Amino acid sequence: DAGVIQSPRHEVTEMGQEVTLRCKPISGHDYLFWYRQTMMRGLELLIYFNNNVPIDDSGMPEDRFSAKMPNASFSTLKIQPSEPRDSAVYFCASSLTGTGGKYGYTFGSGTRLTVV
Amino acid sequence: GDSVTQMEGPVTLSEEAFLTINCTYTATGYPSLFWYVQYPGEGLQLLLKATKADDKGSNKGFEATYRKETTSFHLEKGSVQVSDSAVYFCALIQGAQKLVFGQGTRLTINP
Repeated sequence: DAGVIQSPRHEVTEMGQEVTLRCKPISGHDYLFWYRQTMMRGLELLIYFNNNVPIDDSGMPEDRFSAKMPNASFSTLKIQPSEPRDSAVYFCASSLTGTGGKYGYTFGSGTRLTVV
Repeated sequence: GDSVTQMEGPVTLSEEAFLTINCTYTATGYPSLFWYVQYPGEGLQLLLKATKADDKGSNKGFEATYRKETTSFHLEKGSVQVSDSAVYFCALIQGAQKLVFGQGTRLTINP
């Protein structure tokens, strides 16, 4: 398996622009998680899905952030409009029901977002 | 709610030194415990895990023992290498599949 695939690896955008981050989970995994990593706040869980349904979005910082999972093999995290304080590394991770406690999650390589 | 506390970094050691990174947790039940490692520019990789009390997880020379009585899961390695330089995260999971991370500890090994 190719693992969790995220795109793009790097994104530089201007303040006010819309940004879309993409994630392809491991085939067969039914949980998908979006995390944000910054020096100040560490790793923050933004939202997670089970069977394509959002379960907990309490970590989404504000209405400018939205996430979708239209099918089992694809998810997007969108920021509109983007702000400099959104600059961070965004990680996607996936896992399979019943295995989280045994194996944890599998993480993608992340998208480094810079908003100027 | 559940939480994980790691020793503050950064930690700087010389090659072949002994490493300990402390991790304690707070949880209402009996979580599974993990150590993840993040090398520069990469995502998080599972380093080792333990699913019940007194279990010892081990991988690549690293070890950690699940201590229920002290709610701890300290990471140790007897002789570190330059290639071990990375950020290390302690984490727990229980119930609803939600992984809770500590703040991470940056480790630098000098030759």
